[in-house]
Amino acid sequence: NAGVTQTPKFQVLKTGQSMTLQCAQDMNHEYMSWYRQDPGMGLRLIHYSVGAGITDQGEVPNGYNVSRSTTEDFPLRLLSAAPSQTSVYFCASSQTRGSGTQYFGPGTRLTVL
Amino acid sequence: GENVEQHPSTLSVQEGDSAVIKCTYSDSASNYFPWYKQELGKRPQLIIDIRSNVGEKKDQRIAVTLNKTAKHFSLHITETQPEDSAVYFCAAGSPETNFGNEKLTFGTGTRLTIIP
Repeated sequence: NAGVTQTPKFQVLKTGQSMTLQCAQDMNHEYMSWYRQDPGMGLRLIHYSVGAGITDQGEVPNGYNVSRSTTEDFPLRLLSAAPSQTSVYFCASSQTRGSGTQYFGPGTRLTVL
Repeated sequence: GENVEQHPSTLSVQEGDSAVIKCTYSDSASNYFPWYKQELGKRPQLIIDIRSNVGEKKDQRIAVTLNKTAKHFSLHITETQPEDSAVYFCAAGSPETNFGNEKLTFGTGTRLTIIP
């Protein structure tokens, strides 16, 4: 099993550009989520999904969209990138509906100029 | 919503000594408390967790204690080794009303350095 994979590993955008961060898992997990990690602020939940077709907002959802068309994939879309979105983004998945062990992807380091 | 505070933000410990990291939470409904370890440039990985019906849990050199009355929980690492150097995050899982899930709220992290 590859576990949780994310692409790209690094990305540089200009303000106003849009892009999609990809996340996939091969563990048949129902629960998937996106976090951003900023220095001194820990991990903050952006959006999460409890299954295909079901998503909800987390703590910091503004400027991001998600969809979940399959169990395996959970892409995160930045609609119009802003410098405040410079961060490291982690995707995570969990087997159980609820707070079972979360398995994190390797992260995407995004810089918005 | 839930608020998790973590202290200290940095901690240096002599190799072989013990390290303790403390977290407090605000939502009395929180019932799941995991700890994650993140090495430099790597992803966070679960090292131990505890649920609210248990006061203490041990796994070899690491242990977590929970005081629900005071709303705080702690990570204890004994006989520290150089490979314990990392950033440690606590989190609290509070029930999410929309789908019956629990959402994790993370603390801001503790950078632990083991001095050889």
